[in-house]
Amino acid sequence: QVHLQESGPGLVKPSETLSLTCTVSGDSITNYYWSWIRQPPGKGLEWIGYIFYSGTSTYNPSLESRVTISVDTSKSQFSLKLRSVTPADTAMYYCARMLGGDWTGVYFDFWGQGTLVTVSS
Amino acid sequence: DFQMTQSPSSVPASVGDRVTITCQANQGVNSWVGWYQQKPGKAPKLLIYAASSLRSGVPSRFSGSGSGTDFTLTISSLQPEDFAIYYCQQGNSFPLTFGGGTKVEIK
Repeated sequence: QVHLQESGPGLVKPSETLSLTCTVSGDSITNYYWSWIRQPPGKGLEWIGYIFYSGTSTYNPSLESRVTISVDTSKSQFSLKLRSVTPADTAMYYCARMLGGDWTGVYFDFWGQGTLVTVSS
Repeated sequence: DFQMTQSPSSVPASVGDRVTITCQANQGVNSWVGWYQQKPGKAPKLLIYAASSLRSGVPSRFSGSGSGTDFTLTISSLQPEDFAIYYCQQGNSFPLTFGGGTKVEIK
C-alpha cells in the first residue's frame, strides 16, 4: 500500500519561502500524478498544484505566481516551494496521490498525514 | 473556477439515522465529484468518486448520486465512527476545488 510522508520546517518567517518534501513509498512515483493540498486551521481544503514524474506540473491560479512543485524520481520524492509567505499561508499541508483521468474525473486516493506550517516572525 | 457549495454546514444526528449531504456546483461538472471524510487531526479519506463509485473498503452504508450540478452523499444508517466532516470535490477541471464541508455531529 502506498505511503506518503511530508517533511519540512514547521515555522517560516513572513516573506520567506516555505519548503516541504513528500516521500512516497509502496509504489513507484512514476506511475501517478501527485499533488499538494493545504488546509488552514479550522477551514476547508485548497488544492495547490500537481506534478508528474516527467516534470509536467499545473498550479492553482490563486497561488501560481508563488508556487513551484518539483520531483526527484531517484529519491521517490516531490517538493513544494511557496515564496513570499504571509500569515495567511499558515495551514496543514498535505501531499496526496491523484486518481483518475479524463473519463472518471480526478481525485485524491492516498494522503500523507499532513504537516502544520506556521508563518510567524 | 468551479465553486462547490455544500449544505447543510452541520447536521446533528443520532446513531442509526439516515444522513444526506448535498453539494451544488456553480456549473456542470459531469459526474466528476468525489466525497471525503475527515476526522479530527487526520487527513481526508476518499469515500466515493465519480459521483457514485464506492471506493474499495468503504462501507456500503455510504452512497453517492448526482450529475451535472447537484450531488448527494447519503449515509444510510449512521454509525459512531461516522461522526466527522465531509467534503465534496469536483474532479472535472483544474483548479480542483472542494466544498466548504459538512460536519456530522452528535445530536
